[in-house]
Amino acid sequence: KQEVTQIPAALSVPEGENLVLNCSFTDSAIYNLQWFRQDPGKGLTSLLLIQSSQREQTSGRLNASLDKSSGRSTLYIAASQPGDSATYLCAVRPETSGSRLTFGEGTQLTVNP
Amino acid sequence: NAGVTQTPKFRVLKTGQSMTLLCAQDMNHEYMYWYRQDPGMGLRLIHYSVGEGTTAKGEVPDGYNVSRLKKQNFLLGLESAAPSQTSVYFCASTRISGTENYGYTFGSGTRLTVV
Repeated sequence: KQEVTQIPAALSVPEGENLVLNCSFTDSAIYNLQWFRQDPGKGLTSLLLIQSSQREQTSGRLNASLDKSSGRSTLYIAASQPGDSATYLCAVRPETSGSRLTFGEGTQLTVNP
Repeated sequence: NAGVTQTPKFRVLKTGQSMTLLCAQDMNHEYMYWYRQDPGMGLRLIHYSVGEGTTAKGEVPDGYNVSRLKKQNFLLGLESAAPSQTSVYFCASTRISGTENYGYTFGSGTRLTVV
């Protein structure tokens, strides 16, 4: 059974810092990995989608990498801002589960002004 | 804007009452999902559908029923609400096309309280 782990569970940084969020998964047989952002009391907003054949994806200050063979992904946030404060979730689509995603528990990020 | 729309956004039910949550998407996605999100338990899949007229059980299906009569709509029903069903419910959709794998799009959620 696929399991997804996100470390750390919570992170607090001063504004302007570059930071890395980690996501690991136990089964490397995946179609893709998706990073989401969730603000308190809100839904999930898709940030980046990485296909299994890709190594990384970039959007603005965000860069996500994927090392499928080692079961790891990282989300790099450059020059963090207070508006980046949210919970970040990663999810994988295993090859064996059809279209169903397996989610991590998330990393709660706080960027202090 | 194109996307996934959930109604209602908030609801308070008494134990034993019934209700239906509506999810509508305008992206012509084949696949639709209902999740619940609870503190400390993450997102758990309740039911899902791989096309119009089809439904399947997810991780936590007990106490819920679903229907997908139209491709764009996915309904989640609670026949007899229980306090354990107090949660935030999210609908999501995606498309599958040949070897292409697309990401999920989520709705903004329905916050349900059962008293």
